[in-house]
Amino acid sequence: GALVYQYPRRTICKSGTSMRMECQAVGFQATSVAWYRQSPQKTFELIALSTVNSAIKYEQNFTQEKFPISHPNLSFSSMTVLNAYLEDRGLYLCGARTVNERLFFGHGTKLSVL
Amino acid sequence: GDSVTQTEGQVALSEEDFLTIHCNYSASGYPALFWYVQYPGEGPQFLFRASRDKEKGSSRGFEATYDKGTTSFHLRKASVQESDSAVYYCALVRSSGGNYKPTFGKGTSLVVHP
Repeated sequence: GALVYQYPRRTICKSGTSMRMECQAVGFQATSVAWYRQSPQKTFELIALSTVNSAIKYEQNFTQEKFPISHPNLSFSSMTVLNAYLEDRGLYLCGARTVNERLFFGHGTKLSVL
Repeated sequence: GDSVTQTEGQVALSEEDFLTIHCNYSASGYPALFWYVQYPGEGPQFLFRASRDKEKGSSRGFEATYDKGTTSFHLRKASVQESDSAVYYCALVRSSGGNYKPTFGKGTSLVVHP
């Protein structure tokens, strides 16, 4: 079956520092990866869409300078949160898109900022 | 832009009750429609999808029918169990011209009492 591993599951970083999260598709080829942040109110904010060999598309209010993404092949993507502050807290989710247009998510990375 | 509206923010039921969670969408063309379920501390789990008018998706006793006329994809289950308590998300994906963008509703929290 299609599985998406995301790690770490949770992380705590000091204000102003950076953290990197990784997303691995297992059992399928991820044609695209969507990175989301889920707020405490449980709403989904789309950060960016990443497709191998294409430019990464960032949504309004999110930039490459703040959330650089690497997507080197069809099974792996990573995103870094640079200079994290309190407003960056939340559950970061990666959704991997399959060739038959399904979107599978990992467990998420819960980011806490001190 | 595309949008998904889930009418109910919270639903409280007793075991064996019938469940309906309403989902209406706004998008041009024929977007693919999805239902996801999210348990505490986990990422969203794919339930099912539909991509054509009158197509029914189903999984784990849940089902929904794509209705382009009413732009709806309501989630139903004939008899809920306590283990169904979770947050349910309706989502749409419109792929056109290489532009793939998933959009989520705000979620409906289901609590099933024994």
